[in-house]
Amino acid sequence: RKEVEQDPGPFNVPEGATVAFNCTYSNSASQSFFWYRQDCRKEPKLLMSVYSSGNEDGRFTAQLNRASQYISLLIRDSKLSDSATYLCVVQGGKLIFGQGTELSVKP
Amino acid sequence: DVKVTQSSRYLVKRTGEKVFLECVQDMDHENMFWYRQDPGLGLRLIYFSYDVKMKEKGDIPEGYSVSREKKERFSLILESASTNQTSMYLCASLEHLYSSYNEQFFGPGTRLTVL
Repeated sequence: RKEVEQDPGPFNVPEGATVAFNCTYSNSASQSFFWYRQDCRKEPKLLMSVYSSGNEDGRFTAQLNRASQYISLLIRDSKLSDSATYLCVVQGGKLIFGQGTELSVKP
Repeated sequence: DVKVTQSSRYLVKRTGEKVFLECVQDMDHENMFWYRQDPGLGLRLIYFSYDVKMKEKGDIPEGYSVSREKKERFSLILESASTNQTSMYLCASLEHLYSSYNEQFFGPGTRLTVL
């Protein structure tokens, strides 16, 4: 089993749709969780950290479920500019990246 | 603005050549990382360094070595390049290893092709 697993997608959604990504992790001792965004041919950049109580940043909501060992990212009212690959990152003793979920938002 | 720069965006080398990939960060971060990114495999950690002259193997260190002589610079070395090392190489820096609040900053990447 991979330490961090994501559905690779691609997710193809129309503008305005709500889309959710899940990410599962195997190390129950993991302490910190993040979502990164990577545009085509660019480097990954931090989208948001994921806090135990869940957190929201505009149209983006991140949730953590420690009991089931997964984190999620919800994007509401998708924009064309949201098209990218979304990487979940889990930190226990080291930072571990998921393989990324590709999102394509269509007009 | 934190800046992580990498010496080349694109590099083409021949099998058996020694290859140096350089990474420089300007934010005085203690921790620096080298990853490779391949389709379907995501980012995989090759090596990281938590201080000058200190290094730790990542998940796939075979065929690679690193050097950190100065805090701002972390070099990845392919002693004898092979075709299976064709990949995108990403360098990153991080201020604190164990924190929910810090961000790992990446360089623009070096796309290495080994012929």
